[in-house]
Amino acid sequence: GQSLEQPSEVTAVEGAIVQINCTYQTSGFYGLSWYQQHDGGAPTFLSYNALDGLEETGRFSSFLSRSDSYGYLLLQELQMKDSASYFCALNDYKLSFGAGTTVTVRA
Amino acid sequence: GAGVSQTPSNKVTEKGKYVELRCDPISGHTALYWYRQSLGQGPEFLIYFQGTGAADDSGLPNDRFFAVRPEGSVSTLKIQRTERGDSAVYLCASSFSGGYQETQYFGPGTRLLVL
Repeated sequence: GQSLEQPSEVTAVEGAIVQINCTYQTSGFYGLSWYQQHDGGAPTFLSYNALDGLEETGRFSSFLSRSDSYGYLLLQELQMKDSASYFCALNDYKLSFGAGTTVTVRA
Repeated sequence: GAGVSQTPSNKVTEKGKYVELRCDPISGHTALYWYRQSLGQGPEFLIYFQGTGAADDSGLPNDRFFAVRPEGSVSTLKIQRTERGDSAVYLCASSFSGGYQETQYFGPGTRLLVL
């Protein structure tokens, strides 16, 4: 089976940087994805790491270390609209999600 | 083009009733997935279709749950003899061909409440 752990909540102010860590246990996977979900909305894709290292997409970056079974999502220059839940997920054609991290951005 | 759509957006039913939830994937996407999301949790995989066939139904919780995709496009998730524990948001996602690294695009979900 697969299991993922991520912090339940993070609070930060506008303009700050937030790092959401994700540790996982798995017998095999193809990559680590990150999804954003606003209240009542659909999960939307943010970033994907197939290989170890950093992937940068605008204000968002994601990192994967397979040897440490660890990844993170970095949110930079936080904006109010970034208040949402963020999920890490293991890719194995289907997605296995963590429980999510609620990010609250304060003015 | 249009994204993944799901109907109804909300469904309230009574314990023991039968419900059908519909998913219309992105045009041209051959892979379709159903997930279930309980409050405060991440989506949980239910079933994966490649074309018309269910390639993996290992996430269906029991035989009250069934899904079809007869023409390889629209899919219907069917729940018989609903129970209060079935209350959740049912999410549908599609991807171009089901490749391991492909992005899955999610619909807004159907919020099912079983009274």
